[in-house]
Amino acid sequence: NAGVTQTPKFRVLKTGQSMTLLCAQDMNHEYMYWYRQDPGMGLRLIHYSVGEGTTAKGEVPDGYNVSRLKKQNFLLGLESAAPSQTSVYFCASSLRVPTGELFFGEGSRLTVL
Amino acid sequence: AQSVAQPEDQVNVAEGNPLTVKCTYSVSGNPYLFWYVQYPNRGLQFLLKYITGDNLVKGSYGFEAEFNKSQTSFHLKKPSALVSDSALYFCAVIGAGSYQLTFGKGTKLSVIP
Repeated sequence: NAGVTQTPKFRVLKTGQSMTLLCAQDMNHEYMYWYRQDPGMGLRLIHYSVGEGTTAKGEVPDGYNVSRLKKQNFLLGLESAAPSQTSVYFCASSLRVPTGELFFGEGSRLTVL
Repeated sequence: AQSVAQPEDQVNVAEGNPLTVKCTYSVSGNPYLFWYVQYPNRGLQFLLKYITGDNLVKGSYGFEAEFNKSQTSFHLKKPSALVSDSALYFCAVIGAGSYQLTFGKGTKLSVIP
């Protein structure tokens, strides 16, 4: 029972480099989310998707792009990484909104030097 | 806009004693409220939720939470704390018609043997 899987788990980038985080869920959920977690800040929503082919901005979308080409996958891209994007990134999915709970991945720790 | 406040960054409790982790919220319309727990280097796990009905909600691992509409609170409680309950706890809220779950900053619970 995989649930929500994030890759990679760890990554170190230099300022200006680009990368993509992949989130895959095997629960046939419609709703998927990308959050970042920073000390003392809790979780902040970056982007989310309410279904295949749709994406929307969350609370802190600047510097990030997303795509949901397949229902089971939600990609988070950083086009030009900045040190302020050093964080732990969590993907989550949900069967229904607003009453359904989120299922989280194990997180991806990104460091931008 | 919706928001969550967790007024205590850290709560310390002796093993066997009752514990309370506080949460207040602000949302338009009826709230849907959640508690999640995060163990070190792991993703968040769902504990319990309030959608409607009985104000006292029971969840996983013996936790419960009380919804108080007049005080806009949703405090997490457990009658007898275990050392294994030590973790980071997040309260979250979402309003009807919204797709975005808003998290509090988290409260670190330490249960002392």
